[in-house]
Amino acid sequence: EDKVVQSPLSLVVHEGDTVTLNCSYEVTNFRSLLWYKQEKKAPTFLFMLTSSGIEKKSGRLSSILDKKELFSILNITATQTGDSAIYLCAETNDYKLSFGAGTTVTVRA
Amino acid sequence: DGGITQSPKYLFRKEGQNVTLSCEQNLNHDAMYWYRQDPGQGLRLIYYSQIVNDFQKGDIAEGYSVSREKKESFPLTVTSAQKNPTAFYLCASSQRLGQHSPLHFGNGTRLTVT
Repeated sequence: EDKVVQSPLSLVVHEGDTVTLNCSYEVTNFRSLLWYKQEKKAPTFLFMLTSSGIEKKSGRLSSILDKKELFSILNITATQTGDSAIYLCAETNDYKLSFGAGTTVTVRA
Repeated sequence: DGGITQSPKYLFRKEGQNVTLSCEQNLNHDAMYWYRQDPGQGLRLIYYSQIVNDFQKGDIAEGYSVSREKKESFPLTVTSAQKNPTAFYLCASSQRLGQHSPLHFGNGTRLTVT
């Protein structure tokens, strides 16, 4: 069975800190890895990664995939209180997404 | 605006009753999904549908049923056979099944069964 493991499960930081979230996976027929941000309700799409070593950036967020070591990281620099959320990692194979348990990030002012 | 609408936002039921959660999308997406979210467990796939009149069990389908009579609609019924139904339920859709097709999520329905 496909498996996605995220770490840490939760962390608390102060505004301005940098956070690094980890996602490792074991999957057959890997197609892509995705990151989502969930604040209260609907997860919102952040990144889709399909190739190793190519960093994707969006403002203060960036992510990279290592297909050899089977992991991805999501970085958030200069954190703000609005970054407080659950960050979900998911991998796709041929027909579905498998999600990790998520990392809860709390940013204190 | 295109999107996914789930209703109701909150639902309370007595144990032993079946309940149906609504999910409608106007994104013209072929694939639709139902996930369940519990604290500390991430999202788990209940059912998914690639196309109208077709659906497949996900990882935790026991005690649930779905239908896909229209492209826009994918209702989920939580039956009395589901042993632990209290959870947050998320509906999602994508252009196609799997592969390079990010999911779009609804705002969820929080079901409480007492």
